[in-house]
Amino acid sequence: DTGVSQNPRHKITKRGQNVTFRCDPISEHNRLYWYRQTLGQGPEFLTYFQNEAQLEKSRLLSDRFSAERPKGSFSTLEIQRTEQGDSAMYLCASSLAGLAGGYNEQFFGPGTRLTVL
Amino acid sequence: AQTVTQSQPEMSVQEAETVTLSCTYDTSESDYYLFWYKQPPSRQMILVIRQEAYKQQNATENRFSVNFQKAAKSFSLKISDSQLGDAAMYFCAYRSAGGSPGTYKYIFGTGTRLKVLA
Repeated sequence: DTGVSQNPRHKITKRGQNVTFRCDPISEHNRLYWYRQTLGQGPEFLTYFQNEAQLEKSRLLSDRFSAERPKGSFSTLEIQRTEQGDSAMYLCASSLAGLAGGYNEQFFGPGTRLTVL
Repeated sequence: AQTVTQSQPEMSVQEAETVTLSCTYDTSESDYYLFWYKQPPSRQMILVIRQEAYKQQNATENRFSVNFQKAAKSFSLKISDSQLGDAAMYFCAYRSAGGSPGTYKYIFGTGTRLKVLA
């Protein structure tokens, strides 16, 4: 399977614990995005990488959240001191950079569903 | 800031019939992309169709077509000959077409759950 993969698919944790999610993009894709989707809502943008550089962060990404893409391949999203409000589906997507401003489809992974008890 | 609104939380359609899902958006930009994504239960989102704002012609992909009204900022999705496999959440999304890094993010609506009745 050469699509975007995410691990784990499900994570249950207790409030106050730290969690880390991993995203493996499509191999040649240099752009990687994280979104959060709460129940009954559409995905909301969290952050975006081009290669290893984090180029944009949403206001939704509080200081308890950190994302990395150390070698420009896979990415991790860590949530420290989890809160019940962090319960959501965390989606990763990747795309291939083309001409400036040109369209390149974002391919989504299956998501990691986080439940904070 | 751009916004995307889907006013139909849920829609139902009889198998083989046609259904239209609505989407409106707000932007001050003149060049952008619009998308419809399908999210089946417990499965990943897949692109159904996209529309470039500079194109007047409505996009079509097999049984899926859009009615893009740029002046009205409306972007509806028509599904013809509905099939049981079309049952899913459908999200309308917007993306700027500019070249700066901040333009690559998608802005999604809240989704419409489509039920297909046998």
